[in-house]
Amino acid sequence: QVTLKESGPALVKPTQTLTLTCTFSGFSLSTTGMRVSWIRQPPGRALEWLARIDWDDDKFYSTSLKTRLTISKDASKNQVVLTVTNMDPVDTATYYCARTYPGRGTGGFDPWGQGTLVTVSS
Amino acid sequence: DIVMTQSPLSLPVTPGEPASISCKSSQSLLHSTGYNFLDWYLQKPGQSPQLLIYLGSTRASGVPDRFSGSGSGTDFTLRISRVEAEDVGVYYCMQTLQTSFTFGPGTKVDIK
Repeated sequence: QVTLKESGPALVKPTQTLTLTCTFSGFSLSTTGMRVSWIRQPPGRALEWLARIDWDDDKFYSTSLKTRLTISKDASKNQVVLTVTNMDPVDTATYYCARTYPGRGTGGFDPWGQGTLVTVSS
Repeated sequence: DIVMTQSPLSLPVTPGEPASISCKSSQSLLHSTGYNFLDWYLQKPGQSPQLLIYLGSTRASGVPDRFSGSGSGTDFTLRISRVEAEDVGVYYCMQTLQTSFTFGPGTKVDIK
């Protein structure tokens, strides 16, 4: 069974750096074609893709947020970490991680984690 | 970035009746492999999104065959042949041809 679970602080202050961890099981991020993405959703709003890391350590970022995002992986720990610098109240959202299985192009996010709500407030 | 639009944004449906959602992209999503890099997701109330269709028309594992995806280039459609009550939620299309990926604004489907 493939699962992903996001973890991190529920509350951060403006200007702080957010660090989120996606811990997964049931697959290896060392397998050719495997990828993990981060996606977020502000309350009541649409989904927004943030970043992706591939089995070969290639990394890709949202055009609008790339100066603030860093994605990394520890395949031995089955974890993918996303950092977001200079947090602002508009970054308040539920943050999800999701897997791309080989052969589904670069998307085909399945499954998704349960999400973690991060609130930015002083 | 590629801009994704959806219509309608709200869709009241009658159980047993068909329904369709349109998704348009600002650039062609047709890859050199011949696949369209377009996914469909459903986010049921209070849940994480779930994959319905990937590469334009391939149903994900476990997705009922009443769901189908079609289209090519910049125009795509998600069809539900006979809506069931469990199909309510927000449907999103997403392009994966260009990183950074982009989602549509979502179509909220509910029961009339």
